[in-house]
Amino acid sequence: DIQMTQSPSSVSASIGDRVTITCRARQGISGWLAWYQQKPGKAPILLIYTTSSLQSGVPSRFSGSGSGTDFTLTISSLQPEDFATYYCQQAYSFPLTFGGGTKVELK
Amino acid sequence: EVQLVESGGGLVQPGRSLRLSCTTSGFTFGDYTVSWFRQTPWKGLEWVGLIRSNTYGGTTEYAASVKGRFTVSRDDSKTIAYLQMNSLKTEDTAVYYCTRTLAVASFVDYWGQGTLVTVSS
Repeated sequence: DIQMTQSPSSVSASIGDRVTITCRARQGISGWLAWYQQKPGKAPILLIYTTSSLQSGVPSRFSGSGSGTDFTLTISSLQPEDFATYYCQQAYSFPLTFGGGTKVELK
Repeated sequence: EVQLVESGGGLVQPGRSLRLSCTTSGFTFGDYTVSWFRQTPWKGLEWVGLIRSNTYGGTTEYAASVKGRFTVSRDDSKTIAYLQMNSLKTEDTAVYYCTRTLAVASFVDYWGQGTLVTVSS
């Protein structure tokens, strides 16, 4: 199984801040990485797929980058609706696996 | 509007069976892979299994923790997917999500609202 490690596990930020979340795969996953946002009591929402492709309807302040084993989700200017937990997921091989999540909280 | 609605969750005793249904609408069901995931506060998000569209052979994949106990199936005429869960264990307790999955790669572009399965005596 490909273990996915996210950091930090939580981040405190203010409105307008730039927020960066990292995800590291235990082995190379050739860019087959997605990012999801989840709010309490709700299902996750796809933000980014194949490392950097923005899902339709997702604001452009979200962006993804990376390659090999190291990937990044960036929120360029944090908005009130962005306070949530973010997960990375690899689709390189089965079983599909997720990172442990990063909770973005209000400072 | 794409919709996936899970049903069939509830309280079940260890060793018993439960079948979840995923009723879909708003898209051409037969063209898509359907995946099931589950989530708990202690284990996070976990992939359970998937069934590909008939275009890709209708084949299935499973997580090791459920292989041999869980079965994913689909009825394209009814646009419904199923997760048959047998020999349930307490560690199968979770919120279960049905999802629409991209064929090019196993990313989920739509999720159901989730249904809670509690395995307890």
